Amino acid sequence: AQTVTQSQPEMSVQEAETVTLSCTYDTSESDYYLFWYKQPPSRQMILVIRQEAYKQQNATENRFSVNFQKAAKSFSLKISDSQLGDAAMYFCAYRSARLSNFGNEKLTFGTGTRLTIIP
Amino acid sequence: DTGVSQNPRHKITKRGQNVTFRCDPISEHNRLYWYRQTLGQGPEFLTYFQNEAQLEKSRLLSDRFSAERPKGSFSTLEIQRTEQGDSAMYLCASSRGTSGYTGELFFGEGSRLTVL
Repeated sequence: AQTVTQSQPEMSVQEAETVTLSCTYDTSESDYYLFWYKQPPSRQMILVIRQEAYKQQNATENRFSVNFQKAAKSFSLKISDSQLGDAAMYFCAYRSARLSNFGNEKLTFGTGTRLTIIP
Repeated sequence: DTGVSQNPRHKITKRGQNVTFRCDPISEHNRLYWYRQTLGQGPEFLTYFQNEAQLEKSRLLSDRFSAERPKGSFSTLEIQRTEQGDSAMYLCASSRGTSGYTGELFFGEGSRLTVL
């Protein structure tokens, strides 16, 4: 079974600065998706960024970028120019890319990192 | 379409009572998922449907839990004889299952259960 580990329960960053959230995962598969989801307080979880394992190029979405190290099974999220609205729980998640009608369809989440933005 | 809708948003019940949560997915999504999230933890997978077929159930889903998705549209999650350990946020998510599927799940705001 796949596992996702987020070793930083809490992080804080000064507004406008850069912060990196860590994530490692364990899998025997070669093709999969990795995600970072953001969960603001009392709000629904939304996708921040997605990475396909077969792509060597790191994904970027505006101020958000990832450092995907497939061999090391590492998938960190960098937030540049941090804003007050970035304060939230951030979850790293894994999903197999193997198509199946009998499983492997679920996302496996880490335990999350609570990000605080200091004004 | 405004996204995944869950009702009720908050349910307080006494131990031993039954509760039911409803999820309305994004209309063109054929996959629907239920997750449970306890305070300070990540979502834990419970079960998922492709159309009306329940394809996978987690070991977390005890005999007291049952989920349905009649006609492949909305879904219900029922918990019978609730226990205090059932107190959690129950999240519903949906996704496309067609070609071009990127693996992304779209989540609702969740239904919070408090068992007294």
